[in-house]
Amino acid sequence: GQNIDQPTEMTATEGAIVQINCTYQTSGFNGLFWYQQHAGEAPTFLSYNVLDGLEEKGRFSSFLSRSKGYSYLLLKELQMKDSASYLCAVRDDTGGFKTIFGAGTRLFVKA
Amino acid sequence: EAQVTQNPRYLITVTGKKLTVTCSQNMNHEYMSWYRQDPGLGLRQIYYSMNVEVTDKGDVPEGYKVSRKEKRNFPLILESPSPNQTSLYFCASSPSRVSYEQYFGPGTRLTVT
Repeated sequence: GQNIDQPTEMTATEGAIVQINCTYQTSGFNGLFWYQQHAGEAPTFLSYNVLDGLEEKGRFSSFLSRSKGYSYLLLKELQMKDSASYLCAVRDDTGGFKTIFGAGTRLFVKA
Repeated sequence: EAQVTQNPRYLITVTGKKLTVTCSQNMNHEYMSWYRQDPGLGLRQIYYSMNVEVTDKGDVPEGYKVSRKEKRNFPLILESPSPNQTSLYFCASSPSRVSYEQYFGPGTRLTVT
């Protein structure tokens, strides 16, 4: 079956670094995505990993280990505007071309 | 401006009254998808379409229909809405099924009483 797990909530301090973990189980893995979603808004794309390793994009980095079914999103130099939900999603090409989302991690950045 | 639009943005309706939520994109994208978002469950895919006249079920298709007669439009149809379909609905599109970024519409908040 398909399953994606990520923590429900996290709290971090402005200026700090936070790591949001995601574990997944899927039979037809073909890429992992991270999206950011502010309250009341649509998700927006942050990053994509299909090969093992770290992808860096400004203050945000995403890591993937396919053998462990594990990813993390790293946010550096946290800002108040980073308070949002972070959604881990996996593309599963078993019997179709679906995208499976985790329930999301709500990040609270405090001053 | 490149965008995905949905209408209506908010809708309150009664059980059994057929409704359609429209979705349109102006980016010539091949792949379009509908999701519902519920607290604690995240985004769940309802249906997706890889191109005109090609649609397939996602994880939660029961009670929904879709059509893709034109590349830009992908309406979501609820033939007989029920209260358990009360949710926040998002339409999304991407250039193709292998493209990694999906562009989401603003969402439609549906309440079925």
